[in-house]
Amino acid sequence: DAKTTQPPSMDCAEGRAANLPCNHSTISGNEYVYWYRQIHSQGPQYIIHGLKNNETNEMASLIITEDRKSSTLILPHATLRDTAVYYCIVRGTSYGKLTFGQGTILTVHP
Amino acid sequence: NAGVTQTPKFQVLKTGQSMTLQCAQDMNHEYMSWYRQDPGMGLRLIHYSVGAGITDQGEVPNGYNVSRSTTEDFPLRLLSAAPSQTSVYFCASRRGDRDNSPLHFGNGTRLTVT
Repeated sequence: DAKTTQPPSMDCAEGRAANLPCNHSTISGNEYVYWYRQIHSQGPQYIIHGLKNNETNEMASLIITEDRKSSTLILPHATLRDTAVYYCIVRGTSYGKLTFGQGTILTVHP
Repeated sequence: NAGVTQTPKFQVLKTGQSMTLQCAQDMNHEYMSWYRQDPGMGLRLIHYSVGAGITDQGEVPNGYNVSRSTTEDFPLRLLSAAPSQTSVYFCASRRGDRDNSPLHFGNGTRLTVT
């Protein structure tokens, strides 16, 4: 599975959009981009995933660049409850060891 | 349905003791896995299973055993606990391994080995 790079921390004002970047320059053609988040002391929570098209669900939007080497998770109206560690992961559909890196600590301020 | 259920939530062991961390899912998922999480280390894969009767090692398998006799359950065994195994343990499951379904996580077992 391809490696990902994320900034260690980001801040966002409550009510504003939070844009979390992820670099995955070695991604292969059949590898999906997944985003999870972990709120303190809880298990990680799935947010969204995509292959090459932009995706949107009730939680967030995922924008994947045309060359697929990077992506951005967008939380359109961040709230204090969105303060968490956000993980970007890339994996294919083969038998797999899905591994998590350090993630981005997002802090939403009042 | 309950999703992924882990028991116990908290456990304290003495060095050398053994115990089993339980994980059960009621979503009929083929793929199950165990992670440990330590401060500053992110989540590291211990063992995983792509179906009943099949298990394989992850990044950090030493000191841990697993088995998968049913689709629903994937227990993690510590045969002789060591202080280095103090951690938070998460179990996760996914519908299959050869598809793009996301992982569903339990809420963790916080283990302290003294």
